[in-house]
Amino acid sequence: AQSVTQLGSHVSVSEGALVLLRCNYSSSVPPYLFWYVQYPNQGLQLLLKYTSAATLVKGINGFEAEFKKSETSFHLTKPSAHMSDAAEYFCAVSDPDTGNQFYFGTGTSLTVIP
Amino acid sequence: EAGVVQSPRYKIIEKKQPVAFWCNPISGHNTLYWYLQNLGQGPELLIRYENEEAVDDSQLPKDRFSAERLKGVDSTLKIQPAELGDSAVYLCASSTGLGFLAEQFFGPGTRLTVL
Repeated sequence: AQSVTQLGSHVSVSEGALVLLRCNYSSSVPPYLFWYVQYPNQGLQLLLKYTSAATLVKGINGFEAEFKKSETSFHLTKPSAHMSDAAEYFCAVSDPDTGNQFYFGTGTSLTVIP
Repeated sequence: EAGVVQSPRYKIIEKKQPVAFWCNPISGHNTLYWYLQNLGQGPELLIRYENEEAVDDSQLPKDRFSAERLKGVDSTLKIQPAELGDSAVYLCASSTGLGFLAEQFFGPGTRLTVL
């Protein structure tokens, strides 16, 4: 079964610092991978997705993620954190070889310190 | 463009009572999802509809949960009877199709508290 692991349930960065949120998947076949963001009291919003095209994926709000098959990772990064980036971030995976089962990770809460 | 609408936003009930949640997806979105999100966890898929057909309900606890999507638009998720462990946020999402590759648009959720 496909699964996704997010390392670090809470991450704190200073405003202007690099944001790095980690996500690893477990599959021998590269799946489709997604990052969603959830702001307080709002629904989840898609940041970016990897669908076997370019390994470096650029998303909204300056975020990007790189698919690394050798490391089975899809870490989310942003060069410079902004206060408005404080939210819950979820990595998700969909494996087309298993009927497109879709799984979210447990989430990482990002705090941005002024 | 209006987003996914869910109601109620909050619901408090006593255990063994029934409860229902309503979702109105984005106009034109033929795929609708119901997720369960426990505190500190990621959303877990309960059921997925393609138009009015439930194409994936393998994670729906059918002894107490039921869902319907009449006419392939609005959807209702019901729990009867509710248990203490059902306290969670219930999320509805919709997309234009293409399976899970399509971007899912989420509603704000219904927070259920079972006393």
